Amino acid sequence: DAKTTQPTSMDCAEGRAANLPCNHSTISGNEYVYWYRQIHSQGPQYIIHGLKNNETNEMASLIITEDRKSSTLILPHATLRDTAVYYCIVRVAGFQKLVFGTGTRLLVSP
Amino acid sequence: SAVISQKPSRDICQRGTSLTIQCQVDSQVTMMFWYRQQPGQSLTLIATANQGSEATYESGFVIDKFPISRPNLTFSTLTVSNMSPEDSSIYLCSVSVGTNEKLFFGSGTQLSVL
Repeated sequence: DAKTTQPTSMDCAEGRAANLPCNHSTISGNEYVYWYRQIHSQGPQYIIHGLKNNETNEMASLIITEDRKSSTLILPHATLRDTAVYYCIVRVAGFQKLVFGTGTRLLVSP
Repeated sequence: SAVISQKPSRDICQRGTSLTIQCQVDSQVTMMFWYRQQPGQSLTLIATANQGSEATYESGFVIDKFPISRPNLTFSTLTVSNMSPEDSSIYLCSVSVGTNEKLFFGSGTQLSVL
């Protein structure tokens, strides 16, 4: 799997948008970008994934650059419950395992 | 989606003993995986649990230490054998459903070895 690079930590004010960047410069053409998050003491939770088009669901938006070498996860109105470690992962869809990097620890403050 | 139940949720064990962790899913799943998360660290894949055959282990993990069973499409067990304090971690079961686009995770088993 291609490797990803994420900032170690980020802060965000409650109610503001949280923009979490991820670099994946060696991504292959058939690899998707996945985002998961892990709230303290819980298992990771799927957020969103995409190949090359921007994606949006009820949790977040995913913006992938045209060259697919980086992406940004956007939480449009962060709440305290969004405090978690966010993992950006590249993976061939339908191909088995997820390989986790170190992730970004997002702290949402009042 | 899938509802995953892991048992036990936590345990404290003595050095040299073994613990078996169970993962039960509420529907048939295509793939099942076991991960380890050491304190303050990210998740590391231990192995893929294959239904009806031996598990596929990642580099650094061996069957003698982490035997895995998967007797059917909804259940798997991971045993941590001959435990030492270095095995103190959270162990997580993960499954994929249908087209295998997404993985879902159990809430994990917090293991402490004294």
